[in-house]
Amino acid sequence: DAKTTQPPSMDCAEGRAANLPCNHSTISGNEYVYWYRQIHSQGPQYIIHGLKNNETNEMASLIITEDRKSSTLILPHATLRDTAVYYCIVINDYKLSFGAGTTVTVRA
Amino acid sequence: EAQVTQNPRYLITVTGKKLTVTCSQNMNHEYMSWYRQDPGLGLRQIYYSMNVEVTDKGDVPEGYKVSRKEKRNFPLILESPSPNQTSLYFCASSLSPSDEQYFGPGTRLTVT
Repeated sequence: DAKTTQPPSMDCAEGRAANLPCNHSTISGNEYVYWYRQIHSQGPQYIIHGLKNNETNEMASLIITEDRKSSTLILPHATLRDTAVYYCIVINDYKLSFGAGTTVTVRA
Repeated sequence: EAQVTQNPRYLITVTGKKLTVTCSQNMNHEYMSWYRQDPGLGLRQIYYSMNVEVTDKGDVPEGYKVSRKEKRNFPLILESPSPNQTSLYFCASSLSPSDEQYFGPGTRLTVT
């Protein structure tokens, strides 16, 4: 199974970009990288996903390294409402494995 | 509105008393799954289902059962709950495992 490694926590200043790293060194060629976030104890919310190209949507940007062994989620202008736990996952077969994620705290 | 619903949202029960947590989705999704979330451990998959009558174990299936008799419903059954099953439970659905997962609001279960 392709596992992911994320820092346990990080702080970000409101209005600044938040860059969230994720390592997935055992990822295989056809596995996508997905990012979700969870605010308080609500159900996780989809943010973005990608295979090998960089992706951008209204919420965030996803930068995947050329060797696909790591990726970075970018929240371009963090707000207080972006305070959440962010999960980076790699879909392998039919099982989904979420780790502990990164707790992001946006400070005013 | 596209959604995943779970019931009940909160439940306090006693050891050994069978319970069922229901999950229903209105998006005609093939893939459904159950997770439990405990402090510091993230979400761990309990069971998943690829389609009607097709279910399989996730990472932490012990003590749980599921069924998928209809496409929209995927109940989680605890035949004999124990205190170590006290947790926050989430149901999710999607077109396939590699598509965006839609999560329910969660069920907070306490077993005394």
